[in-house]
Amino acid sequence: GAVVSQHPSRVICKSGTSVKIECRSLDFQATTMFWYRQFPKQSLMLMATSNEGSKATYEQGVEKDKFLINHASLTLSTLTVTSAHPEDSSFYICSAGGGPGRHQPQHFGDGTRLSIL
Amino acid sequence: AQTVTQSQPEMSVQEAETVTLSCTYDTSESNYYLFWYKQPPSRQMILVIRQEAYKQQNATENRFSVNFQKAAKSFSLKISDSQLGDTAMYFCAFMKHERFNAGNMLTFGGGTRLMVKP
Repeated sequence: GAVVSQHPSRVICKSGTSVKIECRSLDFQATTMFWYRQFPKQSLMLMATSNEGSKATYEQGVEKDKFLINHASLTLSTLTVTSAHPEDSSFYICSAGGGPGRHQPQHFGDGTRLSIL
Repeated sequence: AQTVTQSQPEMSVQEAETVTLSCTYDTSESNYYLFWYKQPPSRQMILVIRQEAYKQQNATENRFSVNFQKAAKSFSLKISDSQLGDTAMYFCAFMKHERFNAGNMLTFGGGTRLMVKP
Protein backbone atom coordinates (compact mmCIF):
# COMPACT_ATOMS: atom_id res chain seq x y z
CA GLY A 1 0.00 0.00 0.00
CA ALA A 2 0.88 3.67 -0.08
CA VAL A 3 3.58 4.76 2.33
CA VAL A 4 4.43 8.13 3.74
CA SER A 5 7.82 8.52 5.35
CA GLN A 6 8.35 11.21 7.97
CA HIS A 7 11.82 12.05 9.21
CA PRO A 8 13.18 12.47 11.79
CA SER A 9 11.06 10.53 14.24
CA ARG A 10 12.50 12.37 17.21
CA VAL A 11 14.37 15.61 17.66
CA ILE A 12 15.85 17.09 20.83
CA CYS A 13 17.52 20.46 20.45
CA LYS A 14 18.32 23.69 22.20
CA SER A 15 16.08 26.72 22.25
CA GLY A 16 16.69 29.01 19.28
CA THR A 17 17.50 26.20 16.87
CA SER A 18 15.58 25.77 13.63
CA VAL A 19 14.33 22.27 12.95
CA LYS A 20 13.31 20.79 9.62
CA ILE A 21 10.91 17.87 9.34
CA GLU A 22 10.50 16.01 6.05
CA CYS A 23 7.45 14.22 4.76
CA ARG A 24 7.82 12.02 1.69
CA SER A 25 5.27 10.03 -0.23
CA LEU A 26 7.25 7.00 -1.32
CA ASP A 27 5.12 5.42 -3.97
CA PHE A 28 2.63 8.00 -5.15
CA GLN A 29 2.42 11.64 -6.07
CA ALA A 30 0.85 13.64 -3.28
CA THR A 31 -1.20 16.49 -4.66
CA THR A 32 -1.82 17.81 -1.19
CA MET A 33 0.00 17.40 2.09
CA PHE A 34 -1.21 18.27 5.55
CA TRP A 35 0.69 19.13 8.69
CA TYR A 36 -0.80 18.47 12.11
CA ARG A 37 0.28 19.21 15.64
CA GLN A 38 -0.76 17.01 18.52
CA PHE A 39 -0.38 17.77 22.23
CA PRO A 40 -0.38 14.90 24.73
CA LYS A 41 -3.76 13.22 25.10
CA GLN A 42 -5.31 15.62 22.62
CA SER A 43 -6.56 15.46 19.07
CA LEU A 44 -4.74 16.33 15.87
CA MET A 45 -4.81 20.02 15.13
CA LEU A 46 -4.44 20.95 11.47
CA MET A 47 -1.69 23.52 11.07
CA ALA A 48 -1.57 23.96 7.32
CA THR A 49 -2.38 22.48 3.97
CA SER A 50 0.13 22.58 1.16
CA ASN A 51 -0.24 21.95 -2.54
CA GLU A 52 2.77 21.25 -4.73
CA GLY A 53 4.24 24.40 -6.20
CA SER A 54 2.08 26.85 -4.30
CA LYS A 55 2.08 28.57 -0.93
CA ALA A 56 0.71 26.71 2.03
CA THR A 57 -2.64 27.62 3.50
CA TYR A 58 -2.31 28.07 7.24
CA GLU A 59 -5.05 27.58 9.79
CA GLN A 60 -6.08 30.46 11.96
CA GLY A 61 -3.70 31.06 14.82
CA VAL A 62 -0.72 29.29 13.22
CA GLU A 63 2.26 31.57 12.76
CA LYS A 64 3.44 31.44 9.17
CA ASP A 65 6.87 32.81 10.01
CA LYS A 66 7.33 30.29 12.80
CA PHE A 67 6.22 27.24 10.85
CA LEU A 68 7.59 27.38 7.31
CA ILE A 69 6.13 24.85 4.91
CA ASN A 70 7.60 24.01 1.55
CA HIS A 71 6.03 21.62 -0.95
CA ALA A 72 8.55 21.76 -3.77
CA SER A 73 7.67 18.45 -5.40
CA LEU A 74 4.82 15.98 -5.56
CA THR A 75 6.66 13.65 -3.20
CA LEU A 76 8.19 15.96 -0.62
CA SER A 77 6.92 18.53 1.83
CA THR A 78 8.95 20.04 4.65
CA LEU A 79 8.01 21.80 7.85
CA THR A 80 10.64 24.04 9.39
CA VAL A 81 10.14 25.24 12.93
CA THR A 82 12.19 28.41 13.04
CA SER A 83 13.93 29.58 16.20
CA ALA A 84 12.20 26.88 18.19
CA HIS A 85 11.33 27.46 21.84
CA PRO A 86 10.11 25.09 24.55
CA GLU A 87 6.48 25.93 23.79
CA ASP A 88 7.00 24.51 20.28
CA SER A 89 7.66 21.09 21.79
CA SER A 90 4.99 18.77 20.47
CA PHE A 91 4.23 15.82 18.22
CA TYR A 92 4.01 16.78 14.55
CA ILE A 93 2.34 14.53 11.98
CA CYS A 94 2.16 14.89 8.23
CA SER A 95 -0.24 13.26 5.85
CA ALA A 96 -0.47 13.06 2.10
CA GLY A 97 -3.55 13.03 -0.07
CA GLY A 98 -3.74 11.78 -3.61
CA GLY A 99 -2.69 8.24 -2.90
CA PRO A 100 -3.76 5.22 -4.89
CA GLY A 101 -7.12 3.65 -4.39
CA ARG A 102 -10.15 5.05 -2.72
CA HIS A 103 -9.92 3.45 0.69
CA GLN A 104 -7.94 6.08 2.53
CA PRO A 105 -8.31 9.82 1.98
CA GLN A 106 -4.96 10.59 3.55
CA HIS A 107 -1.87 8.54 4.29
CA PHE A 108 -0.16 9.49 7.53
CA GLY A 109 3.48 9.61 8.43
CA ASP A 110 4.60 8.14 11.74
CA GLY A 111 5.11 11.56 13.30
CA THR A 112 7.98 13.54 14.77
CA ARG A 113 8.40 14.13 18.47
CA LEU A 114 10.02 17.53 18.91
CA SER A 115 11.53 18.46 22.26
CA ILE A 116 13.06 21.89 22.75
CA LEU A 117 15.26 22.29 25.82
CA ALA B 1 -17.67 24.62 9.01
CA GLN B 2 -17.91 21.12 10.35
CA THR B 3 -17.52 20.07 13.96
CA VAL B 4 -16.97 16.60 15.39
CA THR B 5 -17.61 15.83 19.04
CA GLN B 6 -16.57 12.80 21.05
CA SER B 7 -18.17 13.06 24.46
CA GLN B 8 -16.25 10.23 26.14
CA PRO B 9 -12.66 11.25 26.93
CA GLU B 10 -11.84 7.86 28.40
CA MET B 11 -13.40 4.43 28.41
CA SER B 12 -12.40 0.99 29.57
CA VAL B 13 -13.61 -2.48 28.71
CA GLN B 14 -12.76 -5.98 29.75
CA GLU B 15 -11.02 -8.18 27.25
CA ALA B 16 -13.50 -10.10 25.04
CA GLU B 17 -16.32 -7.71 25.90
CA THR B 18 -18.02 -5.21 23.59
CA VAL B 19 -17.63 -1.45 23.80
CA THR B 20 -19.23 1.43 21.92
CA LEU B 21 -17.56 4.78 21.31
CA SER B 22 -19.77 7.77 20.57
CA CYS B 23 -19.34 10.48 17.97
CA THR B 24 -21.64 13.26 16.86
CA TYR B 25 -21.02 15.81 14.17
CA ASP B 26 -22.51 18.92 12.73
CA THR B 27 -22.51 19.84 9.07
CA SER B 28 -24.64 21.45 6.41
CA GLU B 29 -23.25 19.11 3.77
CA SER B 30 -25.57 16.44 2.41
CA ASN B 31 -22.85 14.13 1.20
CA TYR B 32 -19.70 13.31 3.10
CA TYR B 33 -17.51 10.60 4.59
CA LEU B 34 -17.03 9.62 8.20
CA PHE B 35 -14.08 7.72 9.59
CA TRP B 36 -12.77 6.16 12.74
CA TYR B 37 -9.02 6.27 13.26
CA LYS B 38 -7.02 4.39 15.87
CA GLN B 39 -3.85 5.83 17.38
CA PRO B 40 -2.03 3.26 19.54
CA PRO B 41 0.81 4.22 21.89
CA SER B 42 3.17 4.13 18.91
CA ARG B 43 1.14 7.16 17.69
CA GLN B 44 0.64 5.85 14.19
CA MET B 45 -2.69 6.85 12.68
CA ILE B 46 -4.53 3.75 11.52
CA LEU B 47 -7.79 3.88 9.59
CA VAL B 48 -10.26 1.53 11.26
CA ILE B 49 -13.43 2.01 9.26
CA ARG B 50 -15.16 4.46 6.95
CA GLN B 51 -18.75 5.26 6.08
CA GLU B 52 -20.14 7.08 3.08
CA ALA B 53 -23.08 9.24 4.10
CA TYR B 54 -25.11 8.28 1.05
CA LYS B 55 -25.02 4.61 2.05
CA GLN B 56 -27.70 3.51 4.47
CA GLN B 57 -25.96 0.26 5.33
CA ASN B 58 -23.66 0.49 8.31
CA ALA B 59 -20.01 -0.30 7.58
CA THR B 60 -18.33 -3.29 9.18
CA GLU B 61 -14.71 -4.41 9.31
CA ASN B 62 -14.26 -7.67 11.17
CA ARG B 63 -14.77 -6.85 14.87
CA PHE B 64 -15.47 -3.20 14.16
CA SER B 65 -18.82 -1.86 13.10
CA VAL B 66 -20.55 1.49 13.09
CA ASN B 67 -24.02 2.73 13.85
CA PHE B 68 -24.58 5.59 11.45
CA GLN B 69 -27.65 7.71 12.12
CA LYS B 70 -27.61 10.44 9.47
CA ALA B 71 -30.63 12.35 10.70
CA ALA B 72 -29.27 12.43 14.22
CA LYS B 73 -25.74 13.12 12.94
CA SER B 74 -24.41 10.32 15.03
CA PHE B 75 -21.64 7.88 14.15
CA SER B 76 -20.71 5.43 16.89
CA LEU B 77 -18.08 2.70 16.74
CA LYS B 78 -18.69 -0.74 18.22
CA ILE B 79 -15.75 -2.97 19.00
CA SER B 80 -16.71 -6.58 19.60
CA ASP B 81 -14.56 -9.18 21.35
CA SER B 82 -12.18 -6.46 22.57
CA GLN B 83 -8.51 -7.36 22.51
CA LEU B 84 -5.58 -5.92 24.43
CA GLY B 85 -4.24 -4.56 21.15
CA ASP B 86 -7.33 -2.39 20.81
CA THR B 87 -5.99 -0.17 23.58
CA ALA B 88 -5.51 3.18 21.88
CA MET B 89 -6.87 6.64 21.24
CA TYR B 90 -9.78 6.58 18.82
CA PHE B 91 -10.65 9.57 16.68
CA CYS B 92 -13.81 10.16 14.74
CA ALA B 93 -13.30 12.23 11.60
CA PHE B 94 -15.38 13.98 8.95
CA MET B 95 -14.56 14.77 5.34
CA LYS B 96 -16.56 16.41 2.59
CA HIS B 97 -17.47 14.11 -0.25
CA GLU B 98 -15.70 15.70 -3.17
CA ARG B 99 -12.10 14.88 -4.08
CA PHE B 100 -11.88 11.83 -1.88
CA ASN B 101 -8.25 11.00 -2.50
CA ALA B 102 -7.11 14.31 -3.89
CA GLY B 103 -6.41 15.94 -0.60
CA ASN B 104 -9.57 17.03 1.11
CA MET B 105 -9.16 17.94 4.75
CA LEU B 106 -10.24 15.81 7.68
CA THR B 107 -11.94 17.30 10.71
CA PHE B 108 -11.16 15.28 13.82
CA GLY B 109 -13.02 14.88 17.06
CA GLY B 110 -11.27 15.27 20.39
CA GLY B 111 -10.64 11.56 20.78
CA THR B 112 -11.57 8.78 23.19
CA ARG B 113 -8.88 6.93 25.09
CA LEU B 114 -9.84 3.25 25.25
CA MET B 115 -8.22 0.89 27.70
CA VAL B 116 -8.82 -2.83 27.28
CA LYS B 117 -8.25 -4.63 30.57
CA PRO B 118 -7.17 -8.25 30.84
